[in-house]
Amino acid sequence: QVTLKESGPVLVKPTETLTLTCTVSGFSLSNARMGVSWIRQPPGKALEWLAHIFSNDEKSYSTSLKSRLTISKDTSKSQVVLTMTNMDPVDTATYYCARGYSYHTTWGQGTLVTVSS
Amino acid sequence: EIVLTQSPATLSLSPGERATLSCGASQSVSSSYLAWYQQKPGLAPRLLIYDASSRATGIPDRFSGSGSGTDFTLTISRLEPEDFAVYYCQQYGSSPWTFGQGTKVEIK
Repeated sequence: QVTLKESGPVLVKPTETLTLTCTVSGFSLSNARMGVSWIRQPPGKALEWLAHIFSNDEKSYSTSLKSRLTISKDTSKSQVVLTMTNMDPVDTATYYCARGYSYHTTWGQGTLVTVSS
Repeated sequence: EIVLTQSPATLSLSPGERATLSCGASQSVSSSYLAWYQQKPGLAPRLLIYDASSRATGIPDRFSGSGSGTDFTLTISRLEPEDFAVYYCQQYGSSPWTFGQGTKVEIK
């Protein structure tokens, strides 16, 4: 069974760096034509794609957030990590990780991150 | 960056009716690389359709997708009570991938 689970802080202060971890099971991050995305959703608003990492370690980022984002993976730990620098209250959202080479077949439950002093 | 515009923002229909949701792209979507997701309150999105018209595993055949280029459609042939939700389109034909702003299908 394929599962993904997000973990990280529930509260961060403005200007801090957010680090989120997606732990996957049921598949390997080194499988060909495999990848994991991070997607977020502010309360009551639409989905926003943030970043993706492929099995060959190729990465892709949202144009508007590229300067603040870093995505990486540790295949041995089955983890994908997203860091976002200089957090702001507008970054308050539920952050999801999702599996797929392009479209997203399986999603984690999401983790709500609030940015507040 | 490809901008996806979904219409209408809200669709008010009764169970048993047909729902037609639109997703328009600011540029042609390569190889019809467009997906549709359904999201219910408090839950993660669920993949319905990929490659514009292929149903994901376990998705009932009342859901169908069509379109190419810049115009795509999700059709729900007969609404069941569990279909009232928010629907998003996503393009993955060119980086960065993008989502539409969503269409809410509500009970009339």
